[in-house]
Amino acid sequence: DVKVTQSSRYLVKRTGEKVFLECVQDMDHENMFWYRQDPGLGLRLIYFSYDVKMKEKGDIPEGYSVSREKKERFSLILESASTNQTSMYLCASTSRQANYGYTFGSGTRLTVV
Amino acid sequence: KQEVTQIPAALSVPEGENLVLNCSFTDSAIYNLQWFRQDPGKGLTSLLLIQSSQREQTSGRLNASLDKSSGRSTLYIAASQPGDSATYLCAAPDTGRRALTFGSGTRLQVQP
Repeated sequence: DVKVTQSSRYLVKRTGEKVFLECVQDMDHENMFWYRQDPGLGLRLIYFSYDVKMKEKGDIPEGYSVSREKKERFSLILESASTNQTSMYLCASTSRQANYGYTFGSGTRLTVV
Repeated sequence: KQEVTQIPAALSVPEGENLVLNCSFTDSAIYNLQWFRQDPGKGLTSLLLIQSSQREQTSGRLNASLDKSSGRSTLYIAASQPGDSATYLCAAPDTGRRALTFGSGTRLQVQP
């Protein structure tokens, strides 16, 4: 089974901190994604990547950046955390070999205080 | 831009009922459609992936159909159980990029 692993289930950070959310997948998928999920707003795409060192802005990239130095790892960076970035963050991956079926991680619940 | 709508938003049924969850999408030029389940505070679990060349997919008590021409998909759950209680999300590929657009979900509660 494809596994997408998010390093933390719960995180509490202070306003202004730089925050790193890590995501690793083990099935050589070329495409990786970061979404955030908020009540009443659903899942919204933050950033995605089609390949190593490639990144594309999603619908809500402001306040975030990403890094993809290795194929299996896609990191989401909050440059200066703010309370409005308190959310559930979900990482996903897919590939042509998977018929573009998406596999999601278990999520990171981030609280910024 | 792809838009995905799910009806109903919430559903409460007694155990044993058969039920249908509906999903509609605006851009029918999709290569697949995927149904997910989400338990409170957890990530998304893939239930069924339907390719555009298929009309339906089955897994156990779950059956999903896809009608591209009408922009609709349905998820049929047979003989519902309390363990089926969760939020069910439908997702279709975005227009012009390889990412998913999600519906807002159907929150299902199955009463014992």
